[in-house]
Amino acid sequence: QQQVKQSPQSLIVQKGGISIINCAYENTAFDYFPWYQQFPGKGPALLIAIRPDVSEKKEGRFTISFNKSAKQFSLHIMDSQPGDSATYFCAASRGETSGSRLTFGEGTQLTVNP
Amino acid sequence: KAGVTQTPRYLIKTRGQQVTLSCSPISGHRSVSWYQQTPGQGLQFLFEYFSETQRNKGNFPGRFSGRQFSNSRSEMNVSTLELGDSALYLCASSLRDGSYEQYFGPGTRLTVT
Repeated sequence: QQQVKQSPQSLIVQKGGISIINCAYENTAFDYFPWYQQFPGKGPALLIAIRPDVSEKKEGRFTISFNKSAKQFSLHIMDSQPGDSATYFCAASRGETSGSRLTFGEGTQLTVNP
Repeated sequence: KAGVTQTPRYLIKTRGQQVTLSCSPISGHRSVSWYQQTPGQGLQFLFEYFSETQRNKGNFPGRFSGRQFSNSRSEMNVSTLELGDSALYLCASSLRDGSYEQYFGPGTRLTVT
């Protein structure tokens, strides 16, 4: 059962534009929602994460928006740069009571054209 | 602080063989999780270890097993390899049991022929 759905599968953005990736989850027990960035040949790198008690978290050019009632969250990359070209994964976990198991979305391949 | 290290980085095996992959977590981290990444199935959780005990297990056959040592280093083993086991195997470490933040290593690329 796919518990985290991610869209779009691929995204092409011009340099300086805004990249938006969306995720939806089913399990209301999830209480931690990270985004990972993965470059070819590398492991996923933790980018930014949010807990459901806040609706938005911003770190530099990266912002997570969280809608608890809709069970959706999204990643916004402002002023997108060619160096941001990578695959992005959203994920969710239930945290402390059941270990650190992450459930991942399918991934979004982002291409930022110069 | 050094990141998560995984060895070997690349491995080619034949169907029916077995393989052992190794992971050293970030210094001070005591929890290790393993994930399989394939183009078709994406990133899937295999298992998690904390204090040498399996804490969680994903939906994989019994051919996949793991263990953790007293120094928090972990190994995973796949027996009777199948073509479909070809994947990138990723290890992630976290500070303690149930810690939210997980940090991934570069992975071991396993090819089964």
